Amino acid sequence: NAGVTQTPKFRILKIGQSMTLQCTQDMNHNYMYWYRQDPGMGLKLIYYSVGAGITDKGEVPNGYNVSRSTTEDFPLRLELAAPSQTSVYFCASSRKQGVNEKLFFGSGTQLSVL
Amino acid sequence: AQSVTQPDIHITVSEGASLELRCNYSYGATPYLFWYVQSPGQGLQLLLKYFSGDTLVQGIKGFEAEFKRSQSSFNLRKPSVHWSDAAEYFCAVGARNTGNQFYFGTGTSLTVIP
Repeated sequence: NAGVTQTPKFRILKIGQSMTLQCTQDMNHNYMYWYRQDPGMGLKLIYYSVGAGITDKGEVPNGYNVSRSTTEDFPLRLELAAPSQTSVYFCASSRKQGVNEKLFFGSGTQLSVL
Repeated sequence: AQSVTQPDIHITVSEGASLELRCNYSYGATPYLFWYVQSPGQGLQLLLKYFSGDTLVQGIKGFEAEFKRSQSSFNLRKPSVHWSDAAEYFCAVGARNTGNQFYFGTGTSLTVIP
């Protein structure tokens, strides 16, 4: 059971570079999320998607873009990397929408912007 | 505003000892409450959740949590800790009035010593 798979696990970027964090799930979940986890902080929602072609901003969307062309994939794009984007990024999915739903998480991507 | 506080950044316990991890929340209505565990190199995994009914909920791996409305708390407990319980623990609240939002605490890191 693969669940939610994130790649890469680690990445170092220079300021101004761009990259895409990949996330794919094999559970046929419609709902997918991107969170970031900063040291000493809780997870913050960046973007979420309720289905293919539909995305919406979360709590901290600035500096990021997402797309959802298929049910399985929900990539997160950083266009102009900044040191403030140094963080651990988690992708998650859920079977249904609703704050009573269990989230399934990927193992995270540790990103450093230098 | 919704928030979750985990007062203990790091806790060390001896194997076989009991464990209690604290979680306090701020939310205007009856909350949906969760505990997640993150083992090294892994994504977050749901331990247990509370929606309504019995205020003492049982989860996986021998964990339980008690919802106390008067104290706005949802503390996680385990009677006898195993070395494999060493991990990061996150408390979260699902906030129905802000879309599909989950608010996470900053996490408590648990070390288990022989």
